Amino acid sequence: DAGVTQSPTHLIKTRGQQVTLRCSPISGHKSVSWYQQVLGQGPQFIFQYYEKEERGRGNFPDRFSARQFPNYSSELNVNALLLGDSALYLCASSFRQGATTYEQYFGPGTRLTVT
Amino acid sequence: KNEVEQSPQNLTAQEGEFITINCSYSVGISALHWLQQHPGGGIVSLFMLSSGKKKHGRLIATINIQEKHSSLHITASHPRDSAVYICAASSGGKLIFGTGTRLQVFP
Repeated sequence: DAGVTQSPTHLIKTRGQQVTLRCSPISGHKSVSWYQQVLGQGPQFIFQYYEKEERGRGNFPDRFSARQFPNYSSELNVNALLLGDSALYLCASSFRQGATTYEQYFGPGTRLTVT
Repeated sequence: KNEVEQSPQNLTAQEGEFITINCSYSVGISALHWLQQHPGGGIVSLFMLSSGKKKHGRLIATINIQEKHSSLHITASHPRDSAVYICAASSGGKLIFGTGTRLQVFP
């Protein structure tokens, strides 16, 4: 079975632009979480979605939004990009809600550079 | 103070040495995850535990709920173990990550 996939792998954007990142969970997994990892730091929780509904949100501004589709894939959108948004964006899938008490399967990440 | 703290931040070892990485947390948790991150970013889940001890090959993870402390041990370390090891606490429906321990094992 394919693991968690993310696209694109790398992305370069300019300040003020908007970006959309995509994640496809493992087949059968209904929960998707998004994390931001700034260089040299541990990941920070952004969103969790389960059954197409937002189930958790981290301490990120409203410029960050996400959604989950009927096939359980997910998109993360970031508007009005800032230099500080440069990071590795990780997606993780899990079978159930309360997902963090179940094993998390991480995608390879999307590396976003904002210039 | 971070809710999840790891030590040491950096660790170098000679091949064959026994490695210990520590994780302390200050929040209530439902589980504690140990993750491995290689250069380039990919993260692999090593363990998820809520009590006691788990072992996979040369890796052992322990947790003491009363002391809010977990350890990851690597026996007979190998250069291919070189990576960043991250502990993450499952709390309030989300993962709270430590900053990671960068391990380098030299031949």
